[in-house]
Amino acid sequence: DIQMTQSPSSLSASVGDRVTITCRASQGIANYLAWYQQKPGKVPELLIYTASTLQSGVSSRFSGSGSGTDFTLTISSLQPEDVATYYCQRYNSAPRTFGQGTKVEIK
Amino acid sequence: EVQLVESGGGLVKPGGSLRLSCEASGFTFSSSSMNWVRQAPGKGLEWVSSISSSSSYMYYADSVKGRFTISRDNAKNSLYLEMNSLRAEDTAVYYCTKVRGLGSGPFDYWGQGTLVTVSS
Repeated sequence: DIQMTQSPSSLSASVGDRVTITCRASQGIANYLAWYQQKPGKVPELLIYTASTLQSGVSSRFSGSGSGTDFTLTISSLQPEDVATYYCQRYNSAPRTFGQGTKVEIK
Repeated sequence: EVQLVESGGGLVKPGGSLRLSCEASGFTFSSSSMNWVRQAPGKGLEWVSSISSSSSYMYYADSVKGRFTISRDNAKNSLYLEMNSLRAEDTAVYYCTKVRGLGSGPFDYWGQGTLVTVSS
């Protein structure tokens, strides 16, 4: 099975900082990669799909890139409301594996 | 407005069984593939199972294969997860999720989840 590995596991950054999270697939998955945001105590929400397409209603602070095995999620200017755990997921075929998550906090 | 409402969670003893349900509304349920995703307390997301729109294809995580069965009733706009031989490690919030678009895709809507606790 294809494994999804995120780094870092957690990070702390200041308001206004540019934040980058990486996700690596153990085998190529083309661009069948999604990013989800889960705020504390809330249900996960879809942020980005096909590696770089922003889901409707999501802030343009968020962007995604990559293809094949290496992907990134970037928050251009970190805001307090972005405190959350972020998960990548491959969805082209089963098992539709999630990464282990990256917890983002404000410094 | 898309709504996914799970039910059926609760406390069950190891080795026991439970049936989760998810009632969908606000979209053409019969055209959408659906999934179950779970999250153990304080842990990350784990995909559990998928079912295609017409129930032609069903897939399971290795951790639940042979114990869990996914099904759907398009006439009732409902998704189900039959869970047997439950273990302590199955304790989690179980989310019903809708696939964006047709066929395989990301999960664009999630229910609020239902908590399953496996404990003696």
